[in-house]
Amino acid sequence: QQQVKQSPQSLIVQKGGISIINCAYENTAFDYFPWYQQFPGKGPALLIAIRPDVSEKKEGRFTISFNKSAKQFSLHIMDSQPGDSATYFCAAGISGTYKYIFGTGTRLKVLA
Amino acid sequence: KAGVTQTPRYLIKTRGQQVTLSCSPISGHRSVSWYQQTPGQGLQFLFEYFSETQRNKGNFPGRFSGRQFSNSRSEMNVSTLELGDSALYLCASSPRLADRSYNEQFFGPGTRLTVL
Repeated sequence: QQQVKQSPQSLIVQKGGISIINCAYENTAFDYFPWYQQFPGKGPALLIAIRPDVSEKKEGRFTISFNKSAKQFSLHIMDSQPGDSATYFCAAGISGTYKYIFGTGTRLKVLA
Repeated sequence: KAGVTQTPRYLIKTRGQQVTLSCSPISGHRSVSWYQQTPGQGLQFLFEYFSETQRNKGNFPGRFSGRQFSNSRSEMNVSTLELGDSALYLCASSPRLADRSYNEQFFGPGTRLTVL
């Protein structure tokens, strides 16, 4: 029940295309869903996060879609750029705690 | 504002030894969490410290321990190292405000531990 399942494991997208990464969870106590971006040799950096009271949140080219009934959420990267090539992690947590459960990561490569 | 600092960045140890890793959170942040990152298991939560007290703990053996000092700096210790402990150890900090709606954590660059 503590797992967060992330797919796909890897993704190749053409420059200007849309990258879509999906995550699913089981524990309905989760109420905070962040996405992190990690470049080689660096720690994960917070990209965008969402709570279950909204179905979508957009920040620049990054959008999170959230489906509470299906217990799924996804990251959309619009107009993908080569600089977006990195590993993306979804995570789930409970407000007031800092024990995040992370997905297994998606390695994104954007071709120039 | 300076980010999360972790020292050392790289460490090589042999089986059976022990190791101590250090983390300095962002100034003003009082919560420090530790994660282990491996290719096979991904990012796994170790523990969280706030006000020098462990608040949450993951599913790791007792060989993994930590502590937090009054200035919010934190250390984690791994005793009797095993080959499987080779990993990137990440520290994350947060202000841990009274407002429970705030959950953002900011990660440091990590310490790469290699156990031979």
